[in-house]
Amino acid sequence: DAGVIQSPRHEVTEMGQEVTLRCKPISGHDYLFWYRQTMMRGLELLIYFNNNVPIDDSGMPEDRFSAKMPNASFSTLKIQPSEPRDSAVYFCASSTHRGRPDTQYFGPGTRLTVL
Amino acid sequence: AQRVTQPEKLLSVFKGAPVELKCNYSYSGSPELFWYVQYSRQRLQLLLRHISRESIKGFTADLNKGETSFHLKKPFAQEEDSAMYYCALGSGNTGKLIFGQGTTLQVKP
Repeated sequence: DAGVIQSPRHEVTEMGQEVTLRCKPISGHDYLFWYRQTMMRGLELLIYFNNNVPIDDSGMPEDRFSAKMPNASFSTLKIQPSEPRDSAVYFCASSTHRGRPDTQYFGPGTRLTVL
Repeated sequence: AQRVTQPEKLLSVFKGAPVELKCNYSYSGSPELFWYVQYSRQRLQLLLRHISRESIKGFTADLNKGETSFHLKKPFAQEEDSAMYYCALGSGNTGKLIFGQGTTLQVKP
């Protein structure tokens, strides 16, 4: 397996534009997580899914952020409209949960810059 | 409340010196604890987890339930150990991990 795949790896956009980040989890994993990493706030959990269903989106900062998981092999995180303070590295991770918390496998991240 | 605390944002040591990265947790149940490492501009990757009781790259971590700690240790630091280290707590039946704020380890030559 190629591991968790994210695209794009880098995104530079202007304030007000829509940004869509993509993630393909490891096959067979039933949990998918979206994180944001910044120098100031460290690693923040934005939202996570179990079997394609959003379980906890309390970390999503604002209504400008939305996430979907239409099937077990694909998820998107969308920011509309984007703002400079959204600049960060966004990580996707996946895992299984066989009755106990298991290792999360992270993607390479998308480095987002909003000008 | 479930919480992970890494009190040091930055730990700087010389090559060959011992290293201890501190992690304290708050959890009422039976904890599942992990250490993740992130090398410069790379993805986070699992370093070790307490149930494995193994040593990875010379690092070990022992769960101390009395002190609610899971400190990461290495007797002799190497320059290639320079990275960001995150301690994480498995959250019950949710599948979620609660991460600490991270500690940057800087190993000087």
